[in-house]
Amino acid sequence: GAVVSQHPSRVICKSGTSVKIECRSLDFQATTMFWYRQFPKQSLMLMATSNEGSKATYEQGVEKDKFLINHASLTLSTLTVTSAHPEDSSFYICSVNDEQFFGPGTRLTVL
Amino acid sequence: RKEVEQDPGPFNVPEGATVAFNCTYSNSASQSFFWYRQDCRKEPKLLMSVYSSGNEDGRFTAQLNRASQYISLLIRDSKLSDSATYLCVVNAVFQGAQKLVFGQGTRLTINP
Repeated sequence: GAVVSQHPSRVICKSGTSVKIECRSLDFQATTMFWYRQFPKQSLMLMATSNEGSKATYEQGVEKDKFLINHASLTLSTLTVTSAHPEDSSFYICSVNDEQFFGPGTRLTVL
Repeated sequence: RKEVEQDPGPFNVPEGATVAFNCTYSNSASQSFFWYRQDCRKEPKLLMSVYSSGNEDGRFTAQLNRASQYISLLIRDSKLSDSATYLCVVNAVFQGAQKLVFGQGTRLTINP
């Protein structure tokens, strides 16, 4: 069965709204979670590393004020895309701990 | 230069054929190497790790050449269900933190 879940699986929103994506570790405690983004026909790009109880570490070029990450418990990390715009439309995927398990992804479409 | 480079394909081969993918990486300090499989609109799933001595898992064989910074995946007796995008992935330490770096992926279609 799945060890990592994401919610929602798909979201369509209007430009300017904020969208929250949840990543849950189902079978074990996840001290570290990773957030990736994948545009069509491109590779997964690491956005940030989320550490339980501390601030996330963002990759170069990723705006921390736009992509808010909260890792308040050992089983849940959330990514909030604030003031989403069409260029934020992408496939957002999380993974946990040793990164061998990925969530099913969230497909975001911003109109 | 991309950190991990793959031929994006697409590769279209008949069922039963043998197909090989190649991948090169730029960071000589890379420590771990993997092949992932990603189906359309799904998350990537680990196919196999790649070891220096080469390793085999059923119809799949992976090889690593550290001197040339080159990784390969060989699929024998291909099945229709092997149709997917194959991602070459390298684990490297960057600015004190480990992270996975993904190649663009090679699209494979097995034809009946």
